[in-house]
Amino acid sequence: GAVVSQHPSRVICKSGTSVKIECRSLDFQATTMFWYRQFPKQSLMLMATSNEGSKATYEQGVEKDKFLINHASLTLSTLTVTSAHPEDSSFYICSAPEVGARNSPLHFGNGTRLTVT
Amino acid sequence: GNSVTQMEGPVTLSEEAFLTINCTYTATGYPSLFWYVQYPGEGLQLLLKATKADDKGSNKGFEATYRKETTSFHLEKGSVQVSDSAVYFCALSDSTNAGKSTFGDGTTLTVKP
Repeated sequence: GAVVSQHPSRVICKSGTSVKIECRSLDFQATTMFWYRQFPKQSLMLMATSNEGSKATYEQGVEKDKFLINHASLTLSTLTVTSAHPEDSSFYICSAPEVGARNSPLHFGNGTRLTVT
Repeated sequence: GNSVTQMEGPVTLSEEAFLTINCTYTATGYPSLFWYVQYPGEGLQLLLKATKADDKGSNKGFEATYRKETTSFHLEKGSVQVSDSAVYFCALSDSTNAGKSTFGDGTTLTVKP
Protein backbone atom coordinates (compact mmCIF):
# COMPACT_ATOMS: atom_id res chain seq x y z
CA GLY A 1 0.00 0.00 0.00
CA ALA A 2 0.88 3.67 -0.17
CA VAL A 3 3.61 4.72 2.23
CA VAL A 4 4.52 8.11 3.60
CA SER A 5 7.93 8.38 5.20
CA GLN A 6 8.57 11.13 7.73
CA HIS A 7 12.00 11.99 9.04
CA PRO A 8 13.33 12.45 11.65
CA SER A 9 11.15 10.58 14.11
CA ARG A 10 12.59 12.47 17.06
CA VAL A 11 14.64 15.63 17.30
CA ILE A 12 15.90 17.70 20.19
CA CYS A 13 17.12 21.20 19.48
CA LYS A 14 18.11 24.29 21.38
CA SER A 15 15.99 27.41 21.58
CA GLY A 16 16.60 29.73 18.67
CA THR A 17 17.71 27.08 16.20
CA SER A 18 15.77 25.79 13.20
CA VAL A 19 14.62 22.26 12.53
CA LYS A 20 13.60 20.71 9.21
CA ILE A 21 11.16 17.83 8.97
CA GLU A 22 10.80 15.86 5.75
CA CYS A 23 7.76 14.06 4.45
CA ARG A 24 8.09 11.76 1.43
CA SER A 25 5.52 9.76 -0.48
CA LEU A 26 7.42 6.59 -1.37
CA ASP A 27 5.30 4.87 -3.99
CA PHE A 28 2.80 7.44 -5.14
CA GLN A 29 2.70 11.06 -6.20
CA ALA A 30 1.35 13.66 -3.84
CA THR A 31 0.58 17.09 -5.26
CA THR A 32 -0.88 17.96 -1.88
CA MET A 33 0.39 17.20 1.60
CA PHE A 34 -1.01 18.22 4.94
CA TRP A 35 0.91 19.15 8.06
CA TYR A 36 -0.58 18.69 11.52
CA ARG A 37 0.43 19.38 15.04
CA GLN A 38 -0.82 17.02 17.69
CA PHE A 39 -1.26 18.21 21.24
CA PRO A 40 -1.05 16.08 24.38
CA LYS A 41 -4.82 15.63 24.51
CA GLN A 42 -4.51 13.89 21.15
CA SER A 43 -6.46 16.24 18.88
CA LEU A 44 -4.95 16.92 15.47
CA MET A 45 -4.58 20.54 14.45
CA LEU A 46 -4.19 21.15 10.73
CA MET A 47 -1.40 23.68 10.30
CA ALA A 48 -1.13 24.02 6.55
CA THR A 49 -1.70 22.48 3.16
CA SER A 50 1.43 22.02 1.11
CA ASN A 51 0.98 22.37 -2.65
CA GLU A 52 3.56 21.11 -5.13
CA GLY A 53 4.96 23.98 -7.14
CA SER A 54 3.09 26.73 -5.33
CA LYS A 55 2.80 28.39 -1.97
CA ALA A 56 1.43 26.56 1.01
CA THR A 57 -1.97 27.46 2.41
CA TYR A 58 -1.85 28.12 6.12
CA GLU A 59 -4.67 27.74 8.59
CA GLN A 60 -5.77 30.69 10.60
CA GLY A 61 -3.45 31.46 13.48
CA VAL A 62 -0.44 29.58 12.10
CA GLU A 63 2.59 31.80 11.54
CA LYS A 64 3.85 31.48 7.98
CA ASP A 65 7.27 32.86 8.79
CA LYS A 66 7.75 30.49 11.67
CA PHE A 67 6.59 27.30 10.00
CA LEU A 68 8.10 27.33 6.54
CA ILE A 69 6.71 24.78 4.12
CA ASN A 70 8.27 23.80 0.83
CA HIS A 71 6.86 21.27 -1.63
CA ALA A 72 9.57 21.04 -4.24
CA SER A 73 8.54 17.81 -5.95
CA LEU A 74 5.63 15.41 -6.27
CA THR A 75 7.06 13.23 -3.53
CA LEU A 76 8.61 15.60 -1.00
CA SER A 77 7.35 18.27 1.34
CA THR A 78 9.35 19.84 4.15
CA LEU A 79 8.34 21.75 7.25
CA THR A 80 10.97 23.97 8.85
CA VAL A 81 10.37 25.27 12.33
CA THR A 82 12.41 28.45 12.47
CA SER A 83 13.81 30.03 15.62
CA ALA A 84 12.27 27.27 17.69
CA HIS A 85 11.07 27.92 21.22
CA PRO A 86 10.03 25.48 23.95
CA GLU A 87 6.36 26.13 23.18
CA ASP A 88 6.96 24.67 19.71
CA SER A 89 7.67 21.30 21.31
CA SER A 90 5.05 18.95 19.97
CA PHE A 91 4.31 15.97 17.73
CA TYR A 92 4.19 16.95 14.07
CA ILE A 93 2.56 14.67 11.50
CA CYS A 94 2.29 14.87 7.73
CA SER A 95 -0.19 13.17 5.45
CA ALA A 96 -1.05 12.93 1.78
CA PRO A 97 -3.95 11.70 -0.34
CA GLU A 98 -3.14 9.81 -3.53
CA VAL A 99 -3.34 11.87 -6.69
CA GLY A 100 -6.17 10.80 -8.93
CA ALA A 101 -7.62 8.36 -6.42
CA ARG A 102 -11.18 9.41 -5.73
CA ASN A 103 -12.19 9.28 -2.12
CA SER A 104 -8.64 8.38 -1.23
CA PRO A 105 -7.91 8.12 2.47
CA LEU A 106 -4.96 9.99 3.84
CA HIS A 107 -1.63 8.25 4.21
CA PHE A 108 0.23 9.42 7.28
CA GLY A 109 3.84 9.62 8.22
CA ASN A 110 4.86 8.26 11.59
CA GLY A 111 5.27 11.70 13.06
CA THR A 112 8.16 13.72 14.44
CA ARG A 113 8.52 14.38 18.15
CA LEU A 114 10.16 17.80 18.48
CA THR A 115 11.60 18.86 21.82
CA VAL A 116 13.01 22.36 22.14
CA THR A 117 15.22 22.92 25.16
CA GLY B 1 -18.45 24.03 7.34
CA ASN B 2 -17.70 20.39 7.96
CA SER B 3 -17.39 18.96 11.46
CA VAL B 4 -16.98 15.62 13.18
CA THR B 5 -18.04 14.85 16.73
CA GLN B 6 -16.94 11.65 18.35
CA MET B 7 -17.47 10.08 21.68
CA GLU B 8 -15.27 11.44 24.38
CA GLY B 9 -12.88 9.11 26.03
CA PRO B 10 -11.07 7.56 27.52
CA VAL B 11 -12.79 4.22 27.13
CA THR B 12 -11.59 1.28 29.21
CA LEU B 13 -12.82 -2.23 28.49
CA SER B 14 -11.95 -5.74 29.46
CA GLU B 15 -10.69 -8.13 26.84
CA GLU B 16 -13.48 -9.68 24.73
CA ALA B 17 -15.91 -6.88 25.57
CA PHE B 18 -18.05 -5.20 22.90
CA LEU B 19 -16.85 -1.83 21.66
CA THR B 20 -18.82 1.10 20.29
CA ILE B 21 -17.31 4.50 19.61
CA ASN B 22 -19.89 6.98 18.40
CA CYS B 23 -19.21 9.40 15.58
CA THR B 24 -21.55 11.93 14.00
CA TYR B 25 -20.77 14.42 11.30
CA THR B 26 -21.97 17.59 9.62
CA ALA B 27 -21.07 18.13 6.00
CA THR B 28 -22.24 19.76 2.85
CA GLY B 29 -22.46 17.43 -0.10
CA TYR B 30 -21.56 13.76 0.06
CA PRO B 31 -18.42 13.13 2.08
CA SER B 32 -16.42 9.96 2.44
CA LEU B 33 -16.05 8.73 6.01
CA PHE B 34 -13.05 7.14 7.67
CA TRP B 35 -11.82 5.67 10.89
CA TYR B 36 -8.12 5.99 11.61
CA VAL B 37 -6.18 4.36 14.44
CA GLN B 38 -3.07 5.70 16.13
CA TYR B 39 -0.85 3.43 18.19
CA PRO B 40 1.45 5.01 20.81
CA GLY B 41 4.25 7.08 19.30
CA GLU B 42 3.12 6.54 15.73
CA GLY B 43 1.23 8.34 13.00
CA LEU B 44 -2.32 7.48 12.01
CA GLN B 45 -3.29 4.46 9.94
CA LEU B 46 -6.45 3.94 8.01
CA LEU B 47 -8.66 1.39 9.77
CA LEU B 48 -11.69 1.42 7.48
CA LYS B 49 -13.68 3.65 5.20
CA ALA B 50 -17.06 4.11 3.53
CA THR B 51 -17.68 6.31 0.53
CA LYS B 52 -21.46 6.41 0.24
CA ALA B 53 -24.64 5.98 2.24
CA ASP B 54 -25.29 2.47 3.60
CA ASP B 55 -21.74 1.34 2.81
CA LYS B 56 -20.17 -0.73 5.56
CA GLY B 57 -16.45 -0.49 6.11
CA SER B 58 -14.73 -3.35 7.90
CA ASN B 59 -11.23 -4.37 8.86
CA LYS B 60 -9.61 -6.44 11.62
CA GLY B 61 -12.99 -7.19 13.17
CA PHE B 62 -14.00 -3.52 13.28
CA GLU B 63 -17.06 -2.30 11.40
CA ALA B 64 -18.79 1.00 10.73
CA THR B 65 -21.83 1.79 8.57
CA TYR B 66 -22.35 5.09 6.78
CA ARG B 67 -25.78 6.26 7.96
CA LYS B 68 -26.87 9.31 6.04
CA GLU B 69 -30.22 9.60 7.79
CA THR B 70 -28.57 9.93 11.19
CA THR B 71 -25.30 11.42 9.87
CA SER B 72 -23.38 8.82 11.83
CA PHE B 73 -20.48 6.42 11.37
CA HIS B 74 -20.18 4.54 14.65
CA LEU B 75 -17.25 2.17 15.11
CA GLU B 76 -17.96 -1.28 16.53
CA LYS B 77 -16.08 -4.43 17.37
CA GLY B 78 -17.61 -7.52 18.89
CA SER B 79 -14.66 -8.66 20.98
CA VAL B 80 -11.75 -6.35 21.69
CA GLN B 81 -8.20 -7.45 22.39
CA VAL B 82 -5.41 -5.84 24.39
CA SER B 83 -3.68 -5.06 21.10
CA ASP B 84 -6.62 -2.84 20.10
CA SER B 85 -5.56 -0.29 22.72
CA ALA B 86 -4.97 2.90 20.75
CA VAL B 87 -6.50 6.25 19.85
CA TYR B 88 -9.29 6.15 17.27
CA PHE B 89 -10.15 9.08 15.02
CA CYS B 90 -13.30 9.52 12.98
CA ALA B 91 -12.86 11.69 9.90
CA LEU B 92 -14.59 12.89 6.79
CA SER B 93 -13.25 13.96 3.45
CA ASP B 94 -15.04 16.29 1.10
CA SER B 95 -14.09 15.51 -2.49
CA THR B 96 -14.41 19.18 -3.40
CA ASN B 97 -11.58 20.09 -1.06
CA ALA B 98 -8.57 18.24 -2.52
CA GLY B 99 -8.48 15.52 0.11
CA LYS B 100 -8.54 17.86 3.08
CA SER B 101 -10.09 15.93 5.93
CA THR B 102 -11.94 16.98 9.06
CA PHE B 103 -11.12 14.96 12.17
CA GLY B 104 -12.87 14.27 15.41
CA ASP B 105 -10.92 14.80 18.62
CA GLY B 106 -10.00 11.13 18.98
CA THR B 107 -11.05 8.53 21.52
CA THR B 108 -8.50 6.66 23.59
CA LEU B 109 -9.29 2.99 24.06
CA THR B 110 -7.57 0.90 26.69
CA VAL B 111 -8.26 -2.81 26.79
CA LYS B 112 -7.29 -4.65 29.96
CA PRO B 113 -6.53 -8.36 30.06
